[in-house]
Amino acid sequence: GQQVMQIPQYQHVQEGEDFTTYCNSSTTLSNIQWYKQRPGGHPVFLIQLVKSGEVKKQKRLTFQFGEAKKNSSLHITATQTTDVGTYFCAGNTGFQKLVFGTGTRLLVSP
Amino acid sequence: EADIYQTPRYLVIGTGKKITLECSQTMGHDKMYWYQQDPGMELHLIHYSYGVNSTEKGDLSSESTVSRIRTEHFPLTLESARPSHTSQYLCASSHLGGHGYTFGSGTRLTVV
Repeated sequence: GQQVMQIPQYQHVQEGEDFTTYCNSSTTLSNIQWYKQRPGGHPVFLIQLVKSGEVKKQKRLTFQFGEAKKNSSLHITATQTTDVGTYFCAGNTGFQKLVFGTGTRLLVSP
Repeated sequence: EADIYQTPRYLVIGTGKKITLECSQTMGHDKMYWYQQDPGMELHLIHYSYGVNSTEKGDLSSESTVSRIRTEHFPLTLESARPSHTSQYLCASSHLGGHGYTFGSGTRLTVV
């Protein structure tokens, strides 16, 4: 079945450093979504990318969808302690069912 | 305010008991889902529904069952709880046309 892997599994940064998580799918995706889950919380939808090579920005967060629509990345510029949490990508193959990635846990030290 | 609600928030129950986890949404979403997630780990889809009287099993084998008699309500039932069922259960919903899922706050289940 379809698999969506994320790397790294875990990253610990100092506040102000940049952070990137990468998402790779075993199959071509029709779109990809990103979610953030705070410790003890539930996943919250951040954004959806649909087009090949698409880049979207939300303040310090930059999301990119690969040309082949099989990979994606989330980059956070100048991390803050409020960025702490686990970031999940989720791929949609067009069969209307998302497959969530393995997640990247981000820890930010002040 | 439109939202998705899960009850109870926490539940500790003995082995062999029957339990129902409640999930209701007021957004008029057609699609609803149940995920199982251990702390800090992946989300595993256990059941989903695309509308009233439509239910499907997800990717993770589960001993639970679901029903969808009303659009807004998607309860999950465990007929006989076991310690291996200890986990967090997250309910989510979305529009038929796609876009992001809205998740409930989850039910943290402990079976002793």
